Amino acid sequence: AQKVTQAQTEISVVEKEDVTLDCVYETRDTTYYLFWYKQPPSGELVFLIRRNSFDEQNEISGRYSWNFQKSTSSFNFTITASQVVDSAVYFCALSEAASNYQLIWGAGTKLIIKP
Amino acid sequence: DAMVIQNPRYQVTQFGKPVTLSCSQTLNHNVMYWYQQKSSQAPKLLFHYYDKDFNNEADTPDNFQSRRPNTSFCFLDIRSPGLGDAAMYLCATSRESSGQGFQPQHFGDGTRLSIL
Repeated sequence: AQKVTQAQTEISVVEKEDVTLDCVYETRDTTYYLFWYKQPPSGELVFLIRRNSFDEQNEISGRYSWNFQKSTSSFNFTITASQVVDSAVYFCALSEAASNYQLIWGAGTKLIIKP
Repeated sequence: DAMVIQNPRYQVTQFGKPVTLSCSQTLNHNVMYWYQQKSSQAPKLLFHYYDKDFNNEADTPDNFQSRRPNTSFCFLDIRSPGLGDAAMYLCATSRESSGQGFQPQHFGDGTRLSIL
């Protein structure tokens, strides 16, 4: 079974629309970390956020916001007023003690923002 | 700015000809990772160094080796590249220490390897 599931393979929206990328994870550890990374077409992986399992507060950074809900094992990412520069593949990842804290990656969601 | 630098950005080699990819960091992180990423897939961890300790993933082919001569540098050696080794290779670093948790991994821009 996948430990990190990003069910949306590809999402396409028009610029200025809001878009939410879903991430569902599975772990038995009580201490774990969740991450989002952005990979634009140029290829580099850009760290966006890390959240530990004890901090369920939602976070907002400019147009980006993250909703962490342990009850549903989800860590969803919303982009408000999307821009063409947001076009990229977005990866959600889990880090847990059972896996020696290595990153367990979701399959990624390709986000296309049309002008 | 502190960063993770990978050279070269693009590498072309011949089938079976050894190739070395390099990674350097100015972040003074104690952990360095090598990932392989194929098109439309998530990165796949090949191995990592925790300080000087080398940790190989169980399914990493023997064809892939790594060296870390000092804290700042790490190399990926592919002894006999096959067509299936064409991919993006990503280097990452992080700081891990007891009591401070596991810091996010910071990635270089990657080296795109092509095999002729």
